[in-house]
Amino acid sequence: AQSVAQPEDQVNVAEGNPLTVKCTYSVSGNPYLFWYVQYPNRGLQFLLKYITGDNLVKGSYGFEAEFNKSQTSFHLKKPSALVSDSALYFCAVRPGSGNTGKLIFGQGTTLQVKP
Amino acid sequence: GAVVSQHPSWVICKSGTSVKIECRSLDFQATTMFWYRQFPKQSLMLMATSNEGSKATYEQGVEKDKFLINHASLTLSTLTVTSAHPEDSSFYICSARGLARGGLWNTEAFFGQGTRLTVV
Repeated sequence: AQSVAQPEDQVNVAEGNPLTVKCTYSVSGNPYLFWYVQYPNRGLQFLLKYITGDNLVKGSYGFEAEFNKSQTSFHLKKPSALVSDSALYFCAVRPGSGNTGKLIFGQGTTLQVKP
Repeated sequence: GAVVSQHPSWVICKSGTSVKIECRSLDFQATTMFWYRQFPKQSLMLMATSNEGSKATYEQGVEKDKFLINHASLTLSTLTVTSAHPEDSSFYICSARGLARGGLWNTEAFFGQGTRLTVV
């Protein structure tokens, strides 16, 4: 079965410190990989995506993510966290087989950045 | 990025009534729209996929007669929760994917703001 895993329900980090939110996947083909952020009672905002090319992709608000094919991971990172980064983060994958555009989401990770 | 507008942001309705939620793509042609349901502090559960001009494809376990989806144009899809009950209370989110300006496919889906439905 195709799936996306975010092993941490919550990540706590102090403001100014680097942060990592983990994501691993198990899908067929060469997947498209995405990160979205959700603030309370809001829809999802697109952060970044990996389609092909350089394994390190840079996105909005200083976030970046590294695609690792051998480890089937796509961890989200930021060198210096801000309190305003506190939100719910979702990793999503679009399987490479088929082109329905359907996304498979991870369970979500709550990021808490403390001053 | 492309803009998807979802309306209303929140709605409270009485048990037994029906509620319609609209999802509009404002600056691109949404050939495909997706409807999700999200429970508190949980991930998004895909309910159905709709392609413009055709019937929606529902995920297993989602009642198509309860959650009516219409995608009559390239910029509008609606989700109607019929005969709503308190257990239908949830956060509903739409997303859209299609052709951007220039005729290129958007590789990512864009999400609406979500609708908080409370059935009392």
